[in-house]
Amino acid sequence: EPEVTQTPSHQVTQMGQEVILRCVPISNHLYFYWYRQILGQKVEFLVSFYNNEISEKSEIFDDQFSVERPDGSNFTLKIRSTKLEDSAMYFCASSFESGNNEQFFGPGTRLTVL
Amino acid sequence: AQSVTQLGSHVSVSEGALVLLRCNYSSSVPPYLFWYVQYPNQGLQLLLKYTTGATLVKGINGFEAEFKKSETSFHLTKPSAHMSDAAEYFCAVSTYSGGYQKVTFGIGTKLQVIP
Repeated sequence: EPEVTQTPSHQVTQMGQEVILRCVPISNHLYFYWYRQILGQKVEFLVSFYNNEISEKSEIFDDQFSVERPDGSNFTLKIRSTKLEDSAMYFCASSFESGNNEQFFGPGTRLTVL
Repeated sequence: AQSVTQLGSHVSVSEGALVLLRCNYSSSVPPYLFWYVQYPNQGLQLLLKYTTGATLVKGINGFEAEFKKSETSFHLTKPSAHMSDAAEYFCAVSTYSGGYQKVTFGIGTKLQVIP
């Protein structure tokens, strides 16, 4: 069964460093998303991406964040200068269509900023 | 704007007992509703979803949920808890507006199953 994959499963970085979180969405999906979950809190929407551009972003997704689909399979989230409060689980998701369709989630990358 | 409220961040049940996890939502447009489960150190797995049609939906692992529009609720139930049901459960509401899908999650309910 097709699934969304994410690498790495756990990333530890120093404050101020850049990190890139990688996702491989399901191959025929067209819509891509990033969410984050701070420990003990709810899953929060960060950004959605379609046709090589951001379609919607939340107030969390500030200038420190960027997303890219560098090739036909990967979807990346970059944090330019990490802060302690960026420590969270980051989930990638994809869906075939927009509308009210199921988003398939990856296993997540746990980011720890020291 | 849309929101999801999950009553009870922690719920404990005995093995074999009824599981009831509560979810209420608010939405200005007809929503789609989802329950996801997250096992320790794993991602989100879809348990079940309500889109249109039958208001009682059945999902994996014996779970079901009923959409009650008048109560704006989508509570998750399972007649008999198993030890393997211990996990965190997230209710989510999805709406499609202005060409974009927006998914909002509840804060989650950790289910503990006592032997």
